[in-house]
Amino acid sequence: AQKITQTQPGMFVQEKEAVTLDCTYDTSDPSYGLFWYKQPSSGEMIFLIYQGSYDQQNATEGRYSLNFQKARKSANLVISASQLGDSAMYFCAMSEGGTSYGKLTFGQGTILTVHP
Amino acid sequence: NAGVMQNPRHLVRRRGQEARLRCSPMKGHSHVYWYRQLPEEGLKFMVYLQKENIIDESGMPKERFSAEFPKEGPSILRIQQVVRGDSAAYFCASSPRYQETQYFGPGTRLLVL
Repeated sequence: AQKITQTQPGMFVQEKEAVTLDCTYDTSDPSYGLFWYKQPSSGEMIFLIYQGSYDQQNATEGRYSLNFQKARKSANLVISASQLGDSAMYFCAMSEGGTSYGKLTFGQGTILTVHP
Repeated sequence: NAGVMQNPRHLVRRRGQEARLRCSPMKGHSHVYWYRQLPEEGLKFMVYLQKENIIDESGMPKERFSAEFPKEGPSILRIQQVVRGDSAAYFCASSPRYQETQYFGPGTRLLVL
């Protein structure tokens, strides 16, 4: 079974609009972390936001927020006021505890295109 | 305030040669991770190291691949007798102790001819 699922291969958004990128996860570990990374066409991996499984509030970092719905096992990324520079591949990732500690499991990614 | 550094950024090898990929973690980070990204795919975990210790190598192919993080110097991912299927982007990440967030380097693009 896929541990991280990103069901949107590609998404389009108009500049200045908000967009939500979907991510669902699967784990039986009560302690886990959820991450979003951005990979622009230049290829580097840029950390955007982190949510711990015990965090009561949704994480926010500037224009990025993580819509964490624990019961649904979803961790969607919301980008507000999209900019042209947001066009990139976005990866959702998860870390677990125990013997898997330190290992990030990534989804397949979503390509976001921001139109002017 | 240098981030994670990887070199070389691009590496071309012929089949059967050896590839050595280097990674210097961010200052103050003692944990290093290597990931591989095949074209059009997400990143796959390979190995997790601390200084002089391999903590988890469950993602490493059984043969030809090895990794180290010596007391002094960068972490090295070594691929012996490369084959075309080894062509990929190899990313190194680092984190400080007791923190989950991993910060990635720019990657090394390996092309095997």
